[in-house]
Amino acid sequence: DAGVIQSPRHEVTEMGQEVTLRCKPISGHNSLFWYRQTMMRGLELLIYFNNNVPIDDSGMPEDRFSAKMPNASFSTLKIQPSEPRDSAVYFCASSLGQGGYNEQFFGPGTRLTVL
Amino acid sequence: DQQVKQNSPSLSVQEGRISILNCDYTNSMFDYFLWYKKYPAEGPTFLISISSIKDKNEDGRFTVFLNKSAKHLSLHIVPSQPGDSAVYFCAASDPWAGNTPLVFGKGTRLSVIA
Repeated sequence: DAGVIQSPRHEVTEMGQEVTLRCKPISGHNSLFWYRQTMMRGLELLIYFNNNVPIDDSGMPEDRFSAKMPNASFSTLKIQPSEPRDSAVYFCASSLGQGGYNEQFFGPGTRLTVL
Repeated sequence: DQQVKQNSPSLSVQEGRISILNCDYTNSMFDYFLWYKKYPAEGPTFLISISSIKDKNEDGRFTVFLNKSAKHLSLHIVPSQPGDSAVYFCAASDPWAGNTPLVFGKGTRLSVIA
């Protein structure tokens, strides 16, 4: 039973380049969450979707960040243009339900380094 | 404003002793609390949870205590093992608030020394 799948696992890019992170949630889960983990801020929620619809994107730091969920089995987080301060580990999580009592299952993360 | 606070960034404990990780929250509407454990190069995984109708929940070596009046919860690990070395995240939710996901603390790095 596959868990949440994220790709790539590691991404090194130069400042100004476009970065696209990908996520495949657990089949049957209807909520998907994008998080960013840094030493300073811990685990920050960037955006989440319910039934493929973005519900709250108030955690997205700037207009350079965008996320899409074209169908129930795929989501992308795009940074354009990327900056060194975007370097972090980005996690995708999914759950059956939006929150409350619903456990979130996390992917292994994408470690992004922007030079 | 941080609604879930883990004030100790790190903790070191001897193998076999008790590890106590603390978490404070500010939102009195939070009704459900979870602990997640994270190993390096992996995503966080669910460890244990507690609902506000209880003040204690136990699962093997792991026990979570909730003090609603103090808005405080703690995770006890007894006895601590080297494999418990990880980052532990406290999370909270208001299940009745509709479109509101989990709110996480910044995490506490636990090191269990053999």
